[in-house]
Amino acid sequence: DAGVIQSPRHEVTEMGQEVTLRCKPISGHDYLFWYRQTMMQGLELLVYFNNKAVMDDSGMPKDRFSAKMPNASFSTLKIQPSEPRDSAVYFCASSLAGPYTFGSGTRLTVV
Amino acid sequence: TQLLEQSPQFLSIQEGENLTVYCNSSSVFSSLQWYRQEPGEGPVLLVTVVTGGEVKKLKRLTFQFGDARKDSSLHITAAQPGDTGLYLCAGRVVAAGNKLTFGGGTRVLVKP
Repeated sequence: DAGVIQSPRHEVTEMGQEVTLRCKPISGHDYLFWYRQTMMQGLELLVYFNNKAVMDDSGMPKDRFSAKMPNASFSTLKIQPSEPRDSAVYFCASSLAGPYTFGSGTRLTVV
Repeated sequence: TQLLEQSPQFLSIQEGENLTVYCNSSSVFSSLQWYRQEPGEGPVLLVTVVTGGEVKKLKRLTFQFGDARKDSSLHITAAQPGDTGLYLCAGRVVAAGNKLTFGGGTRVLVKP
């Protein structure tokens, strides 16, 4: 298995632009998580899905962030409009009700 | 205030020395995991502990889960430069399903 695949690896965008992060979980995993990592806050859970349904999005700023999982093998995290404070590494992880497997992350820089 | 507090935040030691990282909370966890993260990569699972008082060993790494399932420790014996990385503890609070809460991490640097 290729593991959890995230794209792009790096994204630099201007403030106000729309950004879309993508994730392909491990086949057969029924949980998918989006985390954001910064030096100040560490790893913060933004949203997670179980069988494509949102289970908890309390950590996600819903005025500008949206997460979707249209099928079991694909998820997106969209930020519109982006702001400099959104600069961070965004990780996707998947699980089968056990340990998480993380992707390599997307480093987002909003200038 | 984080649900899981890790200490120390940063540790720099010489190759061959021992080190211990602590993970503490006021909450009870149904399970607790330790991950290691290297620059440019996502965290990778090291171990899962489930039972209070449980001790698990992974080569030179020893993991302990507190009797009350509120705290954990990671001890590395004779550290090697390859042990350098960010160590993260993560816990599942009872009745929170499959949601993991991460500690702030301990950055370990092992100098040759």
